[in-house]
Amino acid sequence: NAGVTQTPKFQVLKTGQSMTLQCAQDMNHEYMSWYRQDPGMGLRLIHYSVGAGITDQGEVPNGYNVSRSTTEDFPLRLLSAAPSQTSVYFCASRFGRQGHYEQYFGPGTRLTVT
Amino acid sequence: AQKVTQAQTEISVVEKEDVTLDCVYETRDTTYYLFWYKQPPSGELVFLIRRNSFDEQNEISGRYSWNFQKSTSSFNFTITASQVVDSAVYFCALSEWDDYKLSFGAGTTVTVRA
Repeated sequence: NAGVTQTPKFQVLKTGQSMTLQCAQDMNHEYMSWYRQDPGMGLRLIHYSVGAGITDQGEVPNGYNVSRSTTEDFPLRLLSAAPSQTSVYFCASRFGRQGHYEQYFGPGTRLTVT
Repeated sequence: AQKVTQAQTEISVVEKEDVTLDCVYETRDTTYYLFWYKQPPSGELVFLIRRNSFDEQNEISGRYSWNFQKSTSSFNFTITASQVVDSAVYFCALSEWDDYKLSFGAGTTVTVRA
């Protein structure tokens, strides 16, 4: 199992550009999520999905879109990048909704918006 | 609403010293789960421990130990005889029983000097 994979590892965007951060898992997990990590703030939930075709907003969803067409993939789209979106992005997956399930994290994508 | 507070932003110790990381949490649920993650300089998130709210026994794993006290809503983490490889950011996190969200503290940066 590759676990949770993310591409790219690093990305530099200009303000206003759009891009998609890719996330995939091969563990047949129903629950997937995106977090962003900023200095002094820990990780904050952007969007999550409880299964194919079902997505919902986390605590910091503005400026991001997601979709879940398959169990395996959960891409995060930045429609018009802003410097405030400079961050490290982590994708995560876990087997189910309940809190006791371990969350598996991808290696992260470091995004810089200039 | 759930909340995790890690009051220590940075801790610097000399090798072989013990270091304790504080974590205080808030939740209205009676069933919840507490986690510690390590983020080394390479950037990935490494799962260290999960503890459920009904198990207040302290846990020891090698040089790592955890002290869970429901009476003070704390889940502290101690590294005994620290080593340079322990240098990392450590996150405490909380997940309620029937909730998708994993709430993170802001993290504590531990630097172990040789």
